[in-house]
Amino acid sequence: GAVVSQHPSRVICKSGTSVKIECRSLDFQATTMFWYRQFPKQSLMLMATSNEGSKATYEQGVEKDKFLINHASLTLSTLTVTSAHPEDSSFYICSATGDGDQPQHFGDGTRLSIL
Amino acid sequence: GDSVTQMEGPVTLSEEAFLTINCTYTATGYPSLFWYVQYPGEGLQLLLKATKADDKGSNKGFEATYRKETTSFHLEKGSVQVSDSAVYFCALSDFGGNTPLVFGKGTRLSVIA
Repeated sequence: GAVVSQHPSRVICKSGTSVKIECRSLDFQATTMFWYRQFPKQSLMLMATSNEGSKATYEQGVEKDKFLINHASLTLSTLTVTSAHPEDSSFYICSATGDGDQPQHFGDGTRLSIL
Repeated sequence: GDSVTQMEGPVTLSEEAFLTINCTYTATGYPSLFWYVQYPGEGLQLLLKATKADDKGSNKGFEATYRKETTSFHLEKGSVQVSDSAVYFCALSDFGGNTPLVFGKGTRLSVIA
């Protein structure tokens, strides 16, 4: 089946650091990727929708200058949390889908902890 | 906007017990409905889906029927196993795969031997 690789799986870093998370589709062309955020014991909340070669569409309340998304190729999207602070600590998870009515395939997520 | 409500957990069952996890939704159109499962330390995996009213999705002994009249998509399994212990998410999508999913809060299931 389709595989989405997300890296790193866990990051612990100091406040003020910028952190980049990669999401790769390994065996299909991902025309659309989604970035979600999951707080403890909460649901996944959509942060942004990313289409290859165009700017990401951010959900209301998500700071685009804080969460930089790049989808430069059909197999890779990156989320950079700039100048991260403790309140940015969360579980970030990406999903990818191809053309048409293809199902979304999820990465294993990245647990980000900002000290 | 669209929303998904699923029963609060955690749910603890003995092996071979019957499982029901309730899920109801609110949507403006005719969404596709999904159940995803998240095993400890892993990402989400699609468990089953249904794309129109009265469709039944099934996989690994789990079933859910798309009930338009009650706007529900309850997950059931006749006999759970320890290996079914995970968090289960109900979700909907309005226009198919390349639109974002709206998730419920998730229900943690623990099955004890």
